[in-house]
Amino acid sequence: AQKITQTQPGMFVQEKEAVTLDCTYDTSDPSYGLFWYKQPSSGEMIFLIYQGSYDQQNATEGRYSLNFQKARKSANLVISASQLGDSAMYFCAMREGNFGNEKLTFGTGTRLTIIP
Amino acid sequence: GAGVSQSPRYKVAKRGQDVALRCDPISGHVSLFWYQQALGQGPEFLTYFQNEAQLDKSGLPSDRFFAERPEGSVSTLKIQRTQQEDSAVYLCASSAGTGGGSNQPQHFGDGTRLSIL
Repeated sequence: AQKITQTQPGMFVQEKEAVTLDCTYDTSDPSYGLFWYKQPSSGEMIFLIYQGSYDQQNATEGRYSLNFQKARKSANLVISASQLGDSAMYFCAMREGNFGNEKLTFGTGTRLTIIP
Repeated sequence: GAGVSQSPRYKVAKRGQDVALRCDPISGHVSLFWYQQALGQGPEFLTYFQNEAQLDKSGLPSDRFFAERPEGSVSTLKIQRTQQEDSAVYLCASSAGTGGGSNQPQHFGDGTRLSIL
């Protein structure tokens, strides 16, 4: 089974609208962390937001928020008031466990295109 | 520099040649990671260092792949006898996390795009 599933290969959104990028995950470990990264066409991976499995509140960072539904194992990224510069690939990733395991498992990504 | 630096940015090699990719992490970051990203895919984990210790190399696809970080700072990923399937972007990341389920994000370099002819 895929550990991280991103079911939207591509999305087109009108500028200034909000957009939700889906991410579901699969783990039996009670301790884990979920990360979202943005990868523009230039190639660099830019960290956006983090949610820990024990965090009580949904994470927010500026225009980014994470809709964390633990029982459904989903961690959707919400971008408010989208901008042309938001056009990029977006990856959801997970870190599992507490001790010594820092590696991230990534999904296949969603290509977001903002339309002027 | 302030970020993770990788060199070269692009590398073209003939099949069978050896290549070496360099990563200079953010100063003071204990953890260093290598990932491989095939075209149109998400990054896949290769190996992880905490200081100079290689704690996880489970993602290295074959014994042709070797990584080192001898002084706990700069790291080199070496691929011997390259094959066409080794063509990919190789990403290096560093983190201030020291294990224990850290919430510290990994900060990535711009990657090295490797093409094997």
